Amino acid sequence: GENVEQHPSTLSVQEGDSAVIKCTYSDSASNYFPWYKQELGKRPQLIIDIRSNVGEKKDQRIAVTLNKTAKHFSLHITETQPEDSAVYFCAVTGANSKLTFGKGITLSVRP
Amino acid sequence: DSGVTQTPKHLITATGQRVTLRCSPRSGDLSVYWYQQSLDQGLQFLIQYYNGEERAKGNILERFSAQQFPDLHSELNLSSLELGDSALYFCASSLSGSTDTQYFGPGTRLTVL
Repeated sequence: GENVEQHPSTLSVQEGDSAVIKCTYSDSASNYFPWYKQELGKRPQLIIDIRSNVGEKKDQRIAVTLNKTAKHFSLHITETQPEDSAVYFCAVTGANSKLTFGKGITLSVRP
Repeated sequence: DSGVTQTPKHLITATGQRVTLRCSPRSGDLSVYWYQQSLDQGLQFLIQYYNGEERAKGNILERFSAQQFPDLHSELNLSSLELGDSALYFCASSLSGSTDTQYFGPGTRLTVL
C-alpha cells in the first residue's frame, strides 16, 4: 500500500519566520495531495490541496509545491503566527483510491 | 463548522462491550469515511461508503463494522471492545470519491475501561 512520510516530526520557528514541511510518498500513481491542520482536541481541517496536474498552488500565506518525479510535496507557511501552531498532516490518494495520512508534524510558533 | 455531525461526542464503556457511533455527512455529499486516531498511530483510514455501498476498506478490524443508510448517514459499530480501541473516531464526507475534499466531523472520543 501507499507509504506516506513527513519530515521533520516536530518544527519550532520564530513568529514571522517561514516554515516548510515535506512529505514523501511511494505510489507514483498518486494524484491528490491535501494538507490538513489539526488543533488540539479538534477536527482535522483542510488548509490547501494540490492535484497531480499542478506543480504549485498558493493561498495567502500558505503554498504547496509538488514534485511528482521525486514523489514529494511540501507545505510552505510564510510570516508564521502563533495561531499557526498545530499538528499538520499531509495525505495522499493513491491508485487504491484511499487517502493515506502521514503521521503528522507538530509546528510550534514562538511569539 | 464543516457540516459533518457526529454523535456522541464522548463515550465511556467497558471492555467486551459494543458501541455504535453515528455520522451525518454534509448536505449533498455521497461518500462517508471513518478514521481512527490514536496517539501512536496517527489517522488510520477504516472504511469508506459511497451512496450506501462499501467502496474501500482500510485497516478495519473484524470486530468493527459500518453501514450507510438510504438517508446517507452512517454508523460505525465496534464490538468486543478492548482497551486498545480507546481513540478518537472521526467521520468525514466528500462529494463523491477520495480525490474530492474530505470534510471532517468533530469526532467521537471513545474510552474503554
